[in-house]
Amino acid sequence: GEDVEQSLFLSVREGDSSVINCTYTDSSSTYLYWYKQEPGAGLQLLTYIFSNMDMKQDQRLTVLLNKKDKHLSLRIADTQTGDSAIYFCAETAYTGRRALTFGSGTRLQVQP
Amino acid sequence: NAGVMQNPRHLVRRRGQEARLRCSPMKGHSHVYWYRQLPEEGLKFMVYLQKENIIDESGMPKERFSAEFPKEGPSILRIQQVVRGDSAAYFCASSPWDRQETQYFGPGTRLLVL
Repeated sequence: GEDVEQSLFLSVREGDSSVINCTYTDSSSTYLYWYKQEPGAGLQLLTYIFSNMDMKQDQRLTVLLNKKDKHLSLRIADTQTGDSAIYFCAETAYTGRRALTFGSGTRLQVQP
Repeated sequence: NAGVMQNPRHLVRRRGQEARLRCSPMKGHSHVYWYRQLPEEGLKFMVYLQKENIIDESGMPKERFSAEFPKEGPSILRIQQVVRGDSAAYFCASSPWDRQETQYFGPGTRLLVL
């Protein structure tokens, strides 16, 4: 079945780069996503990548996809204290079943 | 353009009562999804609906849970005879018909069963 795994915790200093990693098992994954959740809030769609792409950049965010290894990463450049949150990786096969399968989330702590 | 709206934001129920959670999708969005998040966990898919149709309910518990998305009005997730294990955050997401790969989430309803 589908499975998405993430490390639980990451701590960085303000101004450094953060790299959050995710692995997935479903080879039919078509779209892969990064969502951000702040305490008590809903999920904010940060970015997503189609499976035929290797990289996508959007301002401070860079997504890298290694389809062979089923590995997805999110790099946040110049990390700020406002980036402290839980980051969820998610995937969908899209065709047919539209449901997103989420990882358990990586808690990013940014220290001033 | 208002985002996905959910109400109530917080709901307290006693065991055996009914919980009704409402979701109004973003304007122009015709697809609605419900997810459940248990404490310290990721979101788990429950059900996917279009107007007046349940498309995929493979993640919905077989008993006590039901969902609808009527022609007019919000989508409703209904939990009958709630138990303590139903305590969780319930999130609704919506997507437009022409960009169904993008799901935008509401703020969630936090259900506490006493």
